[in-house]
Order: sequence, then C-alpha cells, then structure tokens
Amino acid sequence: KNEVEQSPQNLTAQEGEFITINCSYSVGISALHWLQQHPGGGIVSLFMLSSGKKKHGRLIATINIQEKHSSLHITASHPRDSAVYICAVRTETSGSRLTFGEGTQLTVNP
Amino acid sequence: DSGVTQTPKHLITATGQRVTLRCSPRSGDLSVYWYQQSLDQGLQFLIQYYNGEERAKGNILERFSAQQFPDLHSELNLSSLELGDSALYFCASSVALTDEQYFGPGTRLTVT
Repeated sequence: KNEVEQSPQNLTAQEGEFITINCSYSVGISALHWLQQHPGGGIVSLFMLSSGKKKHGRLIATINIQEKHSSLHITASHPRDSAVYICAVRTETSGSRLTFGEGTQLTVNP
Repeated sequence: DSGVTQTPKHLITATGQRVTLRCSPRSGDLSVYWYQQSLDQGLQFLIQYYNGEERAKGNILERFSAQQFPDLHSELNLSSLELGDSALYFCASSVALTDEQYFGPGTRLTVT
C-alpha cells in the first residue's frame, strides 16, 4: 500500500463545476504539497500546508492532520484547469524529501 | 516560469551511454532536489543537495550520481544507461531545507 493515496484517479467535469480531489496518507507528516502537472509535463507547486486551509484564486486546499487527509477544491472549473494534480507529503522522518501520490487526471470539458 | 532552469529539454541516447543533466536553481535558493518520473513508477525522489552538500538520498541507482557546485547549480550524471532509465527528470529548488519547492521544466530522457 502506498503511503500516499489519491482519489479519484481520473475525473471528468463540465466547465463551471465544483471539483474535489482527495489525498490520504498513512504516516506522520510535517507538510503536504499539492502540485499541478500540465499536459506538456511541467510541474507547478500550488500549495504547501501543514494545517488548516489555504486559498489561491479558485483553488482551495484543506488538511485534517488527525484524519490524515487533504482535499484540493477547484471552484468554477475551466478547461484550462485540465491537468494532473499530485499530492506529495514530507514525512516526519524523511527530512525534506517528498513522497508522491499517483496523481489525479482532471479533464474539464467546455 | 518558476525560475528553475534545466538543460537539455530533450535527450535521446543509446543504451550503455552516459549523460549529464544540468539544473540551475532559483536565485537565492540553496537546496536542489532531483526527481525521476517514469510511466510505471510515477514521481520518485532521487537526491537532495543543500549548499553543496548531499543532504538526502532516495531511490537513486548506483549508476547515477549528482553534485552541487559552488555556484549552486547541480548536475545529475546517469551512466550505463538502460531502456528503463527513460523518464522525465525534474530538478526543484527551495530556499532552505523544508521550504516550498519550485520545479524546473524537466529533461525528457529517451534511451533507445
């Protein structure tokens, strides 16, 4: 079993829909990252969080440390949001190295 | 643009060969990370350097080595290449050891 599990693996939505991507982890962590990988391959860091909630534009990330769970929400989705979203954790014992989930492929149709 | 640069963007080479991938971190960042993304393994951490010193090692093969130079740029050397080494190799940088990481555009390596 992977230390970091994401769901769903694939998600198709219509433009304007509210989207939620989930990440569960099985180890103690010091931080959790949400990354976005574009079709061309480039990776963009969206959020780094260790507690609570962060918001940037239409993106919201939350984390519940007790339940070992994080969610990434996209409000008013748009076709340009189509990408792979990757959850990664920095565990309490791994220093600064990241352990990655397998990613969620999001497709937003116009 | 994250400010992290990687060269080359694409590299095609034959089995048994050796290649060097280069990464320049964002201005002011002291820490450099190397990651491999293959179709069957996903993203994996390879190695981290901080201010010229190796700080953490992940699933890096013995055929692979890296270093960080005094100007803070880093190189990842891959030798005795095998077909399975074909992957995207990303470099990331951060200011200190546990800060947010900024990813470069990656180098796509194809071993034929």
